[in-house]
Amino acid sequence: AQSVSQHNHHVILSEAASLELGCNYSYGGTVNLFWYVQYPGQHLQLLLKYFSGDPLVKGIKGFEAEFIKSKFSFNLRKPSVQWSDTAEYFCAVISNTNAGKSTFGDGTTLTVKP
Amino acid sequence: KAGVTQTPRYLIKTRGQQVTLSCSPISGHRSVSWYQQTPGQGLQFLFEYFSETQRNKGNFPGRFSGRQFSNSRSEMNVSTLELGDSALYLCASSLLAGVGYNEQFFGPGTRLTVL
Repeated sequence: AQSVSQHNHHVILSEAASLELGCNYSYGGTVNLFWYVQYPGQHLQLLLKYFSGDPLVKGIKGFEAEFIKSKFSFNLRKPSVQWSDTAEYFCAVISNTNAGKSTFGDGTTLTVKP
Repeated sequence: KAGVTQTPRYLIKTRGQQVTLSCSPISGHRSVSWYQQTPGQGLQFLFEYFSETQRNKGNFPGRFSGRQFSNSRSEMNVSTLELGDSALYLCASSLLAGVGYNEQFFGPGTRLTVL
């Protein structure tokens, strides 16, 4: 069974600090990887996705993630966070053999102090 | 193109009652999945329907059921509600036209409160 692990439950940063959120998955086959963001009171929004090709993917709002197949990781990064990035971030995996099912990590709450 | 819509957005029920939630996927999407989101358990997969057939099921009791209609709209039903069923229920749709088309698009959710 596939599983996703997010290393940090709660991250607190000051504005302009750099961000890296860890995500590791467990699955032996081909996967597609996603990062979602959920702002307070809002629904899940896709930040970025990886299907194939360049392992460094860029998403919205200045976010990027790097897929490292050998480490089963898909870490999310942003060089300089803003107060408006305060939200909960979820890493998710879909396997090509189970395309209708996303497996989510537990989420990381990011608080950015102004 | 309209996104995934879910109705109702908010619902309050009492223990023992049953509830039906509705989801309309993005036009052309044939796969609809349901998730339960709670502070303690995070996002948990309930089930997935594709062309009116349930293809995947998560680890939830039989009180949770669903169906999909020929127009791809889906409903989820929870019978004999328990306090622990209070959650945000999310619906997601996918095109599933092949590799690279399994991105899920999420609706705003239905917030269910069981008293």
